[in-house]
Amino acid sequence: QKEVEQDPGPLSVPEGAIVSLNCTYSNSAFQYFMWYRQYSRKGPELLMYTYSSGNKEDGRFTAQVDKSSKYISLFIRDSQPSDSATYLCAMSDYTGANSKLTFGKGITLSVRP
Amino acid sequence: DAGITQSPRHKVTETGTPVTLRCHQTENHRYMYWYRQDPGHGLRLIHYSYGVKDTDKGEVSDGYSVSRSKTEDFLLTLESATSSQTSVYFCAIRRSGQGVETQYFGPGTRLLVL
Repeated sequence: QKEVEQDPGPLSVPEGAIVSLNCTYSNSAFQYFMWYRQYSRKGPELLMYTYSSGNKEDGRFTAQVDKSSKYISLFIRDSQPSDSATYLCAMSDYTGANSKLTFGKGITLSVRP
Repeated sequence: DAGITQSPRHKVTETGTPVTLRCHQTENHRYMYWYRQDPGHGLRLIHYSYGVKDTDKGEVSDGYSVSRSKTEDFLLTLESATSSQTSVYFCAIRRSGQGVETQYFGPGTRLLVL
């Protein structure tokens, strides 16, 4: 079993839809959770991060972490064509100086006008 | 913008030739990383550095070496390029703040090995 599993997609939705992107993980030591957005032919950009369990909201985006289920989600409300990109989840324990991020493989989202 | 530049941005080379990719940062971050990104595999860590002359291997380090002689520069070398090393290479830095440590990525280098 991979440490981080992400729905493979691709995902296509109409403009204005609510989008739910999900990742599951197996390492219970993970406590930092991130979502990156990557536009075509660009580097990943940090979209949101959360520590431990709970929700975090930023505009149309909400990140949710459920450590008991080892499940994280990113919700996008009122999706726009500009949200069309690949979304990668990432997580880390950062318990040591040389801790590293573990990434999901990413899901490509297309928002149709 | 994390002040990261990568060079070259695109490169075509032949099998068996050495290739060096450069990552440059302007914010004096201690940690720097090299990843490769391939369809079906996502981002995979090649090597990372935790200070000048301090480096360690990631999960896909075979065929790659790195060097860091200055805080701002982290070099990735393919000693003898193979077609399996055709990929997009990203450099990243670790930034700490508000109790969270996160990574920020450069724009990437597209490498084609013929």
